[in-house]
Amino acid sequence: SQQGEEDPQALSIQEGENATMNCSYKTSINNLQWYRQNSGRGLVHLILIRSNEREKHSGRLRVTLDTSKKSSSLLITASRAADTASYFCATDWGGAQKLVFGQGTRLTINP
Amino acid sequence: DTEVTQTPKHLVMGMTNKKSLKCEQHMGHRAMYWYKQKAKKPPELMFVYSYEKLSINESVPSRFSPECPNSSLLNLHLHALQPEDSALYLCASSQLTTQETQYFGPGTRLLVL
Repeated sequence: SQQGEEDPQALSIQEGENATMNCSYKTSINNLQWYRQNSGRGLVHLILIRSNEREKHSGRLRVTLDTSKKSSSLLITASRAADTASYFCATDWGGAQKLVFGQGTRLTINP
Repeated sequence: DTEVTQTPKHLVMGMTNKKSLKCEQHMGHRAMYWYKQKAKKPPELMFVYSYEKLSINESVPSRFSPECPNSSLLNLHLHALQPEDSALYLCASSQLTTQETQYFGPGTRLLVL
C-alpha cells in the first residue's frame, strides 16, 4: 500500500499566487523527499528533508516536516506557468533502499 | 554530469516479442532502480541493484528480467508481456541508500499490443 497521501489531488491557481501541497505518511521515517514530474517525463528531485529538520528552503520552495503529525508541506511561492507539473512526496519507510511515493498533487498554473 | 539516460524513449511491442530497455548513468552511483508508472499514478518500485547485485525484487513477474552488466548500466529485458504492462518505465540512480537523492531518467513509454 502507498505510504504517502497527498492533498489536494489537483490544484489550479493563477500565476503569481502561492501553491501549498500536503503529504501525510503512516510510519516513522528517516527522511522525506519532494519530486516534480512534468507530463510524461522523468522525476526531478526538489528537496530532501531529514527527520530531525523542521523546515527547508530552496529558491521559491519551502518544505516543512512535522514528525509528530507525520506530515509535510511543500510551498511554492510566486508561482510561474513553468511550475505546472505533478508533485510527489516520497518517504523511505520501506527500508534503506526503498522510496515509497505518495499519490501526487497535479498543479496547474494559469497565466 | 547528473544525467540518467534511457533508451528507447518509446517502444511498441507485441505480446510475443522480446525487447530490452536500457539505462545509463555516469555519476558513480552504486544503486540503480527500475520503477513502473501508470498514468496519473505514482512510480512503483520494481527492482533495486546495489553494487551490481539485485538487492530488491518487488515480486515482479518473471516476464520482466533485470540485468546490471556494470556499475553504469542497467537493463530491463521484456518477454511475453501483457497489455496491462503498458506504462512509463523509469530508471533512477543514487548513492547507496534512500538517504540520498534519486536521479531519474526521462523514462521509456511502453505500449504492449
